[in-house]
Amino acid sequence: NAGVTQTPKFQVLKTGQSMTLQCAQDMNHEYMSWYRQDPGMGLRLIHYSVGAGITDQGEVPNGYNVSRSTTEDFPLRLLSAAPSQTSVYFCASSYSTGIEKLFFGSGTQLSVL
Amino acid sequence: EDQVTQSPEALRLQEGESSSLNCSYTVSGLRGLFWYRQDPGKGPEFLFTLYSAGEEKEKERLKATLTKKESFLHITAPKPEDSATYLCAVQASNSGYALNFGKGTSLLVTP
Repeated sequence: NAGVTQTPKFQVLKTGQSMTLQCAQDMNHEYMSWYRQDPGMGLRLIHYSVGAGITDQGEVPNGYNVSRSTTEDFPLRLLSAAPSQTSVYFCASSYSTGIEKLFFGSGTQLSVL
Repeated sequence: EDQVTQSPEALRLQEGESSSLNCSYTVSGLRGLFWYRQDPGKGPEFLFTLYSAGEEKEKERLKATLTKKESFLHITAPKPEDSATYLCAVQASNSGYALNFGKGTSLLVTP
C-alpha cells in the first residue's frame, strides 16, 4: 500500500517556467489537497478537492491550478513560476471531508531561480 | 481571525526528561484539533485528533489533552527517536475543509 505518492522529490525552475507536481493516492480517498510549507510559517492550504471533478481554492491559490479527473490523481500546476513559489509542497488526502486525519506525501522541494 | 500558536519553538530534552508542548488556539467553533509529527525531509504523520474540552488521548510515550483554549502534548520519558517537529492544527466550523496549522515545535532528545 503506497499511500500518497508525490513526484518529483526535488525540482529547480527558472522564473517564468511552468511545471506540474504530481500526486497520487491508492486509498480511494475522497478528499485531496495541496499545502505549501515555508520556513517560519505553518502549512498553508493552496487548493483542495472533495471528489473527482470538484476543486476549490484554499488560503494561497494564486499562481497555481489544479484538476481532479480521477479519484486517485490530483496534480498541481505552476503556470509561470516565481521566486515566491520556492517552497516545499505537500499533497495530502483523507477518506472523507469530515473531521478526518490527513495522510501526507513525502513532499516536493521546489526552488525557483 | 483564527490563530494557532505553538510554544516553545524549539525544545531540547535529555533522554528520560519529561516535558510538554503547548498549542494555544483562537477559533470560531472548534471542530477538531490535530497533532502531527514531522521528521526532516518527510511529510507530517498523524498522531491524534481531539474534539472537545476535557478529552485526552495516549499513544506510547505521548499524551494529548485539550481545553477550551489550548492543547498540550505531554512527552513522558522521551527517547532520541522522539526527536521531530510536532505540529498542531485546528479545523474550525467556519473554515470549511481547511486546517489551520501552527508553526510547530522542534524537539531534540539527546542520549
